Amino acid sequence: ELKVEQNPLFLSMQEGKNYTIYCNYSTTSDRLYWYRQDPGKSLESLFVLLSNGAVKQEGRLMASLDTKARLSTLHITAAVHDLSATYFCAVDPNWGGAQKLVFGQGTRLTINP
Amino acid sequence: EPEVTQTPSHQVTQMGQEVILRCVPISNHLYFYWYRQILGQKVEFLVSFYNNEISEKSEIFDDQFSVERPDGSNFTLKIRSTKLEDSAMYFCASAPGQGNNEQFFGPGTRLTVL
Repeated sequence: ELKVEQNPLFLSMQEGKNYTIYCNYSTTSDRLYWYRQDPGKSLESLFVLLSNGAVKQEGRLMASLDTKARLSTLHITAAVHDLSATYFCAVDPNWGGAQKLVFGQGTRLTINP
Repeated sequence: EPEVTQTPSHQVTQMGQEVILRCVPISNHLYFYWYRQILGQKVEFLVSFYNNEISEKSEIFDDQFSVERPDGSNFTLKIRSTKLEDSAMYFCASAPGQGNNEQFFGPGTRLTVL
């Protein structure tokens, strides 16, 4: 059974600092997704990582995938308050078709002024 | 930009009652899903649906649950006899398929079972 683990689960940081959220998963997969969720809201797609070594950047967020290590990272550069949210990684365990996503527990990020 | 829509946004029901949650996926997508999220917890897969049939379901998706695509646009989740522990946010998602499993989520239906 595929397990997806994120750490840390809670992160409180100051504006302007850098930090990284880690997502480890237990079985082979080349497809990993990052989502953002604001309180009481839906899941917003941030990044789609579809191959080993994939790196994507959007604003102050950068995501990468190492399929050999079964690890993805979400790096936050010079954090601003607007990035406060819960971030989920999700892994697609199957090739072929579009099957379920298995989500990590989420990392609740709070950025303080 | 096309988006997944869900109705109602909030449903309150008595234990033992049947509820139907409705979703309209993005129109050219081929794969449809239901997930749930109990307050403060992670998102859990319930069921996936492709080509008018269930392609995978989780242990949570027992005989009390069913899905249907009655008219080619709506995608529904029915819970036959609700329990207190069914209280959660239910998200519908759709994906284009063809090697791209980026799933687009609807706004969710908050189900409260009293």
